[in-house]
Amino acid sequence: DSGVTQTPKHLITATGQRVTLRCSPRSGDLSVYWYQQSLDQGLQFLIQYYNGEERAKGNILERFSAQQFPDLHSELNLSSLELGDSALYFCASSGGAGGTEAFFGQGTRLTVV
Amino acid sequence: AQKITQTQPGMFVQEKEAVTLDCTYDTSDQSYGLFWYKQPSSGEMIFLIYQGSYDEQNATEGRYSLNFQKARKSANLVISASQLGDSAMYFCAMREGPWYTGFQKLVFGTGTRLLVSP
Repeated sequence: DSGVTQTPKHLITATGQRVTLRCSPRSGDLSVYWYQQSLDQGLQFLIQYYNGEERAKGNILERFSAQQFPDLHSELNLSSLELGDSALYFCASSGGAGGTEAFFGQGTRLTVV
Repeated sequence: AQKITQTQPGMFVQEKEAVTLDCTYDTSDQSYGLFWYKQPSSGEMIFLIYQGSYDEQNATEGRYSLNFQKARKSANLVISASQLGDSAMYFCAMREGPWYTGFQKLVFGTGTRLLVSP
């Protein structure tokens, strides 16, 4: 158990819909990262939040947004969903002592039909 | 731009044998970190081992060791005494920048699927 909790584990939704993925980081970790894993693009960094503020942005679509709340949990919002958004979405956290490890949650598998 | 290359799409090994999974990287930064992750069929990403660019010793974690050759920009993962449960996808990843700035985004390779046979 990595200590990073993601909900839900599976999500099936229709095109055009909006979904919210949730992540609770490991205790003490201030940074949360979102990654997308798809068959054609592999594992890609989407966005990082540090202590509530956006720190870095990767290949995140404008239809996607994220935020980190005061209790440090984070949400990734995906809107106007398309078939190509079907992927495994991971949350990772770090920022405790060290910084030489990065722990991933179990992922949310999103299927858009 | 940083890049990770894993040239072996698939590897086969017999149980109890050792196997090396290749990883080469490209970066212009002097300070960086290299990670290996295991992704079993269930999907989760399991952290295996980390090597910092200034670490003089090769990292080891149980049956996992990282063969770090800085001049060649390679960071191969060695799994000793393979077990059936080692069958999974293995990803090499790199973080640019020193660790004390906090973890920064990881760039991943395309992965190597390892199959361990009895």
